[in-house]
Amino acid sequence: DGGITQSPKYLFRKEGQNVTLSCEQNLNHDAMYWYRQDPGQGLRLIYYSQIVNDFQKGDIAEGYSVSREKKESFPLTVTSAQKNPTAFYLCATTEGLRTDTQYFGPGTRLTVL
Amino acid sequence: SQKIEQNSEALNIQEGKTATLTCNYTNYSPAYLQWYRQDPGRGPVFLLLIRENEKEKRKERLKVTFDTTLKQSLFHITASQPADSATYLCALGTMDSNYQLIWGAGTKLIIKP
Repeated sequence: DGGITQSPKYLFRKEGQNVTLSCEQNLNHDAMYWYRQDPGQGLRLIYYSQIVNDFQKGDIAEGYSVSREKKESFPLTVTSAQKNPTAFYLCATTEGLRTDTQYFGPGTRLTVL
Repeated sequence: SQKIEQNSEALNIQEGKTATLTCNYTNYSPAYLQWYRQDPGRGPVFLLLIRENEKEKRKERLKVTFDTTLKQSLFHITASQPADSATYLCALGTMDSNYQLIWGAGTKLIIKP
């Protein structure tokens, strides 16, 4: 898990609620990513950011929002518009946007009640 | 359609034998392919990267091959140990996706003592 922390480890959401997942890194990496992992599927990219105050949508951004106010932090908000949010969420970093190796946090498991 | 495929069935191997995992892709122009290890409830950990102009890469008991004609990568663990039991993910980096990784769903490897 290296220098990437995600919190909380487990999160429960009620219908209609927005929830925010935290991702913090001390690797001094420029790029940060949010993925969603579902059973039997590959990781799917939600959002990514290569510099502070800039981020781009990934393949499944609908119902999610992010911010990048500090280099170390890239929180993900799962909004009520995301109809099927139950999944394992992973935050990752790379030194640069096109740098090869991705470093992952320990993940947050989100469950809708 | 563009796909990354890994064997969805768990692979059971006797301790001491060589485990071989397969990653197939279609309709991509690869730049490189990566292999990661993921333990239950944790984030993936980078193992090896092989570029499109390389045939083979080794790291200790691990070996990766990359055949761009067959559109396939093989991941080998020699002298396998129960501690090697985990899910192994392959991820393709390609210009087609602006170098954002395309992930396979992973293959669960079980090494029996």
